[in-house]
Amino acid sequence: AAGVIQSPRHLIKEKRETATLKCYPIPRHDTVYWYQQGPGQDPQFLISFYEKMQSDKGSIPDRFSAQQFSDYHSELNMSSLELGDSALYFCASSSQTVGYTFGSGTRLTVV
Amino acid sequence: GDSVTQMEGPVTLSEEAFLTINCTYTATGYPSLFWYVQYPGEGLQLLLKATKADDKGSNKGFEATYRKETTSFHLEKGSVQVSDSAVYFCALPNSGGSNYKLTFGKGTLLTVNP
Repeated sequence: AAGVIQSPRHLIKEKRETATLKCYPIPRHDTVYWYQQGPGQDPQFLISFYEKMQSDKGSIPDRFSAQQFSDYHSELNMSSLELGDSALYFCASSSQTVGYTFGSGTRLTVV
Repeated sequence: GDSVTQMEGPVTLSEEAFLTINCTYTATGYPSLFWYVQYPGEGLQLLLKATKADDKGSNKGFEATYRKETTSFHLEKGSVQVSDSAVYFCALPNSGGSNYKLTFGKGTLLTVNP
C-alpha cells in the first residue's frame, strides 16, 4: 500500500542557509500535517493543510513557511537556519475514513 | 488546553517481563486516544487506539484501555521481547473530525534485554 513519502531522508545545511522539505501524502488523503521532533523530544505540531488551504498552525517560527500544491504534495521551507532547527521533521496525512499515517521523516542537521 | 502526561523512562526490562507505561490525559470531552511507537531511526507508527470510554485497543500483544473515570490510557504487555525496544508515545487529538493535530506525551524509551 502507498505510504507517505518524504524527501530527502537526510539533509545537512549550514547556519543561515535555506532548506526545503517535501512530502507526498497518501492519494485521496485530504489533510497534510508537519511535525518537528527535536533530539529526545516528543513531536511538536507545526502546521496543517486541508484541501490545499492552511487549516491550523502550531509553534512554527516565522522563518518557516509551508504550502500544499495542486497535486497535494506539500513543502516546508526553512530559511536562516539555526543550530536549534536540527531535528526530525515528520509529515503525516489523513482522511475522514482513515486516520493518521506518518512518513519516515527528514533528518535535518544544521552545522 | 488538551495535554498528555506520560511516564518518562527510560524503562529497562528483561525479555518476557511485564510492561506498563502510564499515560493520563486532560481534554475537553472524550477524544480518541492513541499509542505510537518509534523504533530506532524510524518514523512514528500507530500501535493501537481507542475511540471511546471502556474501549480496549490491542495490537502485537500490547493493550490499552480507555478509562474515563481515571482519564488514563495505560499501555501494557504481558511478555516483552527484545524487538519491542523502542520509544512509545501516548497521544490525543486536539479536536474532532479528520483535521486534527496530535498532542504527544514526552515519550518513554523501552529497552528489553535478552
